[in-house]
Amino acid sequence: DVKVTQSSRYLVKRTGEKVFLECVQDMDHENMFWYRQDPGLGLRLIYFSYDVKMKEKGDIPEGYSVSREKKERFSLILESASTNQTSMYLCASSLRAGGESPLHFGNGTRLTVT
Amino acid sequence: DQQVKQNSPSLSVQEGRISILNCDYTNSMFDYFLWYKKYPAEGPTFLISISSIKDKNEDGRFTVFLNKSAKHLSLHIVPSQPGDSAVYFCAASASGDDKIIFGKGTRLHILP
Repeated sequence: DVKVTQSSRYLVKRTGEKVFLECVQDMDHENMFWYRQDPGLGLRLIYFSYDVKMKEKGDIPEGYSVSREKKERFSLILESASTNQTSMYLCASSLRAGGESPLHFGNGTRLTVT
Repeated sequence: DQQVKQNSPSLSVQEGRISILNCDYTNSMFDYFLWYKKYPAEGPTFLISISSIKDKNEDGRFTVFLNKSAKHLSLHIVPSQPGDSAVYFCAASASGDDKIIFGKGTRLHILP
């Protein structure tokens, strides 16, 4: 069974801090994704990666960057956290690209920026 | 511009009855559609999917119907059970595109 592990369930950070959200998957999946979930807005794609050191912008990349140095690990970085980045962050992985290979999600990190 | 729309934020259904969750899409390039279920404090889990070459896919109590001409799909849950209370996300993708686009979700309440 695929396991996607997000390092923190809850984080509280101050405005302007640099924040790292870590995600690890154990099934040798090619693709990894970062989404954020907000009430009334659903799941919005921030960044995704289809290979080590490769990344693509999603729909809302502003204020974020990512790092994928190893296949199993995909990090989301908030360079200078702002209050509008308070959200639930969800990491996911999939075997291949596209919908035919369903996403496997972690349990999420709820980030509060004060 | 929202490409995947779930126009009902919430839905309440009596236990044992049929739950019908609806989803509309605007991008005619979408050719694969998925439904995910999400409980509070957990990540979404994959429920069922359908390719655009089919108009129906069934898995136990869950059936997804696709109407390509109307750009509409629906998820039917029969019979509805208390454990079905969750948020349901409709999602879509296009061949050759790595992205999966999600709707805003519908919260389903199963009433005892």
